[in-house]
Amino acid sequence: DTAVSQTPKYLVTQMGNDKSIKCEQNLGHDTMYWYKQDSKKFLKIMFSYNNKELIINETVPNRFSPKSPDKAHLNLHINSLELGDSAVYFCASRKGATNEKLFFGSGTQLSVL
Amino acid sequence: DAKTTQPTSMDCAEGRAANLPCNHSTISGNEYVYWYRQIHSQGPQYIIHGLKNNETNEMASLIITEDRKSSTLILPHATLRDTAVYYCIVPRFNDYKLSFGAGTTVTVRA
Repeated sequence: DTAVSQTPKYLVTQMGNDKSIKCEQNLGHDTMYWYKQDSKKFLKIMFSYNNKELIINETVPNRFSPKSPDKAHLNLHINSLELGDSAVYFCASRKGATNEKLFFGSGTQLSVL
Repeated sequence: DAKTTQPTSMDCAEGRAANLPCNHSTISGNEYVYWYRQIHSQGPQYIIHGLKNNETNEMASLIITEDRKSSTLILPHATLRDTAVYYCIVPRFNDYKLSFGAGTTVTVRA
């Protein structure tokens, strides 16, 4: 069983559309994250939830809205997609805050045309 | 996160040990050093972490200097599959945030 799974793996869409990426972890972790990796390959943290509570909200356009229905799921909804949103989005999870390793999903490659 | 400095890139011959340095001179006493790697098109993968003692697992060894201002990740017998970007990270103690820098691009050559 995949520990952190994301769907879809690839997402191609038109500018202006609204789309969602889903993430699920079966590790029993309390903390989940969304990272964005752009064409320059830098991994930037976007959001983090701990026990369904938003604890990290980096400078991200408010078109991006994370939602955590329960501890095992963290979804990312993006409104009014723009060309600059094209990137690979990674979900990750870990048990707590400190001294715990991060487990990543395999990524969702979003292409906005 | 404490600032870390890594070389931009390095090459390694297959079968030889790869030694990846990292400077973290502003590290605090209770902050751990973590190493992750990202193989092309995959999600980052945890390798190892340590506080002050040297650590070893099935993937690598981590050597931390006595003053804790630098560390070295050692891949004992590099293979072509070890070609990846390697990240050295020192997250602030008790902080949920884990930030990735540019890392070191390691190319293992046959």
